[in-house]
Amino acid sequence: SAVISQKPSRDICQRGTSLTIQCQVDSQVTMMFWYRQQPGQSLTLIATANQGSEATYESGFVIDKFPISRPNLTFSTLTVSNMSPEDSSIYLCSVEGGVSGTYNEQFFGPGTRLTVL
Amino acid sequence: AQSVAQPEDQVNVAEGNPLTVKCTYSVSGNPYLFWYVQYPNRGLQFLLKYITGDNLVKGSYGFEAEFNKSQTSFHLKKPSALVSDSALYFCAVRDLNDYKLSFGAGTTVTVRA
Repeated sequence: SAVISQKPSRDICQRGTSLTIQCQVDSQVTMMFWYRQQPGQSLTLIATANQGSEATYESGFVIDKFPISRPNLTFSTLTVSNMSPEDSSIYLCSVEGGVSGTYNEQFFGPGTRLTVL
Repeated sequence: AQSVAQPEDQVNVAEGNPLTVKCTYSVSGNPYLFWYVQYPNRGLQFLLKYITGDNLVKGSYGFEAEFNKSQTSFHLKKPSALVSDSALYFCAVRDLNDYKLSFGAGTTVTVRA
């Protein structure tokens, strides 16, 4: 299994500002994902981040609002731009597909709890 | 399109009693099925999966799940629940040929002492 860390673990931000969330994996993986979990709700996929290509966004999510970087096989960032209170959520990264094999399951980071005032 | 239904928002059981968390799914092809658990202020932890083979799969912390193709169900079970099993449980599905996971709404399990 992969061990995933996220920074920051939580933050309180003012509306109109941006926050960049980092996701670090202890092994090389082919696919990384970013999810949003709004209060009391399930997980919604924001985008898939693949190294060497642009992220693929799900319906309802756009690059201008959630720019993603994937500079190598162990690291990715998600930026939440021009934040509003509606962006208050837990943001989770997950990984699947080690370079040396296939996991099938996704492993999740501990999440970043974002509160926008 | 794929989807997951968890018909119960909450499940309450006494410690030592059997625990069942229900899940039904819809997928166009062959399903990969997963259960995850989320403890307060924590990320999701993988419990178990069904890919192929035996319909009864065993996972972490004494949990098991039974794949039933005719009923398109994948219910999570534990013979004897512990207070420490109190958490939020998510069922998830993906098609064999798609990497995207679809999650159910989640079921909050409360095990009382």
